[in-house]
Amino acid sequence: GQNIDQPTEMTATEGAIVQINCTYQTSGFNGLFWYQQHAGEAPTFLSYNVLDGLEEKGRFSSFLSRSKGYSYLLLKELQMKDSASYLCAVRAPGGSNYQLIWGAGTKLIIKP
Amino acid sequence: EAGVTQFPSHSVIEKGQTVTLRCDPISGHDNLYWYRRVMGKEIKFLLHFVKESKQDESGMPNNRFLAERTGGTYSTLKVQPAELEDSGVYFCASSQEGLGRNYNEQFFGPGTRLTVL
Repeated sequence: GQNIDQPTEMTATEGAIVQINCTYQTSGFNGLFWYQQHAGEAPTFLSYNVLDGLEEKGRFSSFLSRSKGYSYLLLKELQMKDSASYLCAVRAPGGSNYQLIWGAGTKLIIKP
Repeated sequence: EAGVTQFPSHSVIEKGQTVTLRCDPISGHDNLYWYRRVMGKEIKFLLHFVKESKQDESGMPNNRFLAERTGGTYSTLKVQPAELEDSGVYFCASSQEGLGRNYNEQFFGPGTRLTVL
């Protein structure tokens, strides 16, 4: 079956660094996405990894190891506005094409 | 540029009734996706349109769900008759491949929260 695992909730302090892990077991792999979702709003794209290694984009970085079925999202210099859910999704074969298989999301709480 | 919009934002109906959700994708996006998130669980794929054609509808739960995208612009998702387990947030997303990227970024709407009583 297809399975994406990520922690349910994490807490961090403003100004600090936090790493959100995601492990996946899928029948195939064609890229991994991280999305951010504030309560009641649309998920918004953060990053995409398809090759092993680290992708850096400002305060956010995303890492992928395909052999380990593992990714993490690293958030630096945390701000209060970073309080949100972070969703890991893998594009894998499904149906007649590729589908996004989603984790349940990690709720990140930032404390002053 | 306007993002993906969905209507209504909330809908409360009784079991057995019919509800139609609407999604307006970003103008020019050929790909349109429907997803559903049941409370406390992960987002689940429902189906994928390319223009007006259903590319993949393997995620549709059953034949009470009907999606259309006449003319390849906006899409509707009808649930008839609605059951209690249909409650959740229905998201729509759109994308356009071939924009110089090697990935297919999906832009999401804010979702429609459906409650079936």
